[in-house]
Amino acid sequence: VQLVQSGAEVKRPGASVRISCKASGSGLTNFAFHWVRQAPGQRPEWVAWINAGNGATKYSQTFQGRVTISTDTSANTVYMDLSNLRPEDTAVYYCARAKSDRRFSLEYWGQGTPVAVSS
Amino acid sequence: DMQMTQSPSSLSASVGDRVSITCQASQDINFFLNWYQQKPGKAPKLLISDVSHLETGVPSRFSGGGSGTRFTLTITSLQPEDFATYYCQQFDVAPYTFGPGTKVDIK
Repeated sequence: VQLVQSGAEVKRPGASVRISCKASGSGLTNFAFHWVRQAPGQRPEWVAWINAGNGATKYSQTFQGRVTISTDTSANTVYMDLSNLRPEDTAVYYCARAKSDRRFSLEYWGQGTPVAVSS
Repeated sequence: DMQMTQSPSSLSASVGDRVSITCQASQDINFFLNWYQQKPGKAPKLLISDVSHLETGVPSRFSGGGSGTRFTLTITSLQPEDFATYYCQQFDVAPYTFGPGTKVDIK
């Protein structure tokens, strides 16, 4: 199983970003996918998760409606959209696939997508 | 949000040492706790799920325990590849918060 994320992004405050996470070696529908971000020198921060089987989602209230996650099962890809970017959103964003029987145990991780937000 | 703390924040140890890391939650999180290892520039790696379930391929020198609000990660006989930062994460209540990490480095 491999999760390959899209490349680094540089954005202005107020802009939006979409990060993709393409899964190979397994389908999406039997698993939960999470997004976790990590600012430089900081602990990881959980962002959101999606049950790729039924589309159910849960988001961290920290993001106050600015984040949306979705899947394209035909492309075996999970997406995270983050809007109204702020400098404090600067971080490496990871997608992670949970174990099949433990939806919150993040077994496989993408390589990370650095997002820099600066004016 | 559920607050997670870890102690110590860092420790220096030698190869072969036994080390223990403590993770404390601000409320009872039952057994909804995982441990991750992270090396510089890499994604976290799942070591232990549900407090004490050792993931496939993780050496048996790693073990986890605890319940309620207090949990431990123990590494017996530290190996060179174990020098890293370790994070606990609770998944009882969203947002599923991580601890601040414990950096294990070489004495």
